[in-house]
Parts: sequence; C-alpha cells; structure tokens
Amino acid sequence: EVQLLESGGGLAQPGGSLRLSCAASGFTFSSYAMTWVRRAPGKGLEWVSGISGGGDSTYYTDSVKGRFTISRDNSKATLYLHLNSLRLEDTAVYYCTKGTYVGPGSYYDYWGQGTLVTVSS
Amino acid sequence: EIVLTQSPATLSLSPGERATLSCRASQSVSTYLAWYQQKPGQAPRLLIYDASNRATGIPARFSGSGSGTDFTLTISSLAPEDFAVYYCQQRSNWPPLTFGGGTKVEIK
Repeated sequence: EVQLLESGGGLAQPGGSLRLSCAASGFTFSSYAMTWVRRAPGKGLEWVSGISGGGDSTYYTDSVKGRFTISRDNSKATLYLHLNSLRLEDTAVYYCTKGTYVGPGSYYDYWGQGTLVTVSS
Repeated sequence: EIVLTQSPATLSLSPGERATLSCRASQSVSTYLAWYQQKPGQAPRLLIYDASNRATGIPARFSGSGSGTDFTLTISSLAPEDFAVYYCQQRSNWPPLTFGGGTKVEIK
C-alpha cells in the first residue's frame, strides 16, 4: 500500500524557514518523480515544486523560485521541501504527491495527509 | 502558463440530480487533463485522467469528456458523499502544472 507521510509544518515568522519532509513507502520511490502541492486557506490547489526520480531535475512555480528548495534522499525514500524567506502568502497546507507516471509532468494518484505551514508575526 | 477556468464556482443540487462541471483551458491541452475531488480535511482524490479515463476505484457515475480547451466532468446521479470541491489539472504544458480554481458542489 502506498503511503506518504508529511511532517515539519508549523508556525514561522515572515522571513523565516521551515523544512518539510515526506516519508514514502509501498512503491519504488526512486523510480518516480515527486511533487509538492499546496492549498492556501480559502483558495484552490497550487502546484509548488517537482523533482525527478534521480533528483537531478527540479522545477518550481515562479512565486517560490529562489526561496524554496526541493530535494530527495532515495536511500531513505524521503522527499523534502526547504522553505526560506517565508511570506504571509506561503501559509497553506502542503501536500506531498506521487505521480501516476514516472516523469515530473504527471497526474497525482497518491497524496499525503498534508502538513500546515502558517506564516505569521 | 496555462490557465484553467472552472465554472460554475458553486453548484447547488439535490442528491440524485445530475451535476455538470466545466473546465476551460487558456490554450489547448489536448486530452492531458485530470479531475480531482476534495472533501474538507482530506487530501484530493484523483477521479479522471486523460480527460475521460476513470481512476482505479472510481464509481461509474463519474465521467469526463472533452479535448483541446473545453472539458466536462459529469456526475450522473449525485450520491450524498459526492458533495465536495472538484478541481481540474493539466499536464500538457509545464512547469508549472496548473489547477483550476475549483467548483464546489453543495447540497441544495
């Protein structure tokens, strides 16, 4: 059974940092690109960042480029998202997702339960 | 960036009624479009991929159609558990992959 378990969310001040983790199991982690998707309060879903199975290719939405860094440790089957220079508008539930295809441009058939990031002074 | 526009924003229907949700793309996405359902406090669930293919375990009352820029998700007869928010998503042109703004299906 595929499982994705996020952790690391919490309260951060504007300009602060957090690191999100997503522990994966139930599939060959290194074979699949992984993605972070977020949902801000009262808003819709937003694709944030993706990474190839080997970790050599990374992709970001414009609003987080230069501030967020996606990475993965295939030996630990864990995905990360480093959030730096946080802004109020980064407040959201962040979901770790697995694609239906091995490549990064995919649909998402498995989602974690989400971890809440709140940016507030 | 491809913009997906969903309509209506809210759909008020009764159980047993037919629901028709629309998703329009700012440029052609061929059939590279999916639909998701999200209930409060839950992660989204993949319903339809490649415009018309039901994902594993999705009931037959859910169907998708369309190509190019205009897509439709139809729920033939609303079950009580179908009242939720629905999103479309394209994977034709990325990054970024994009989602629509959502349609809330609420009980009338």
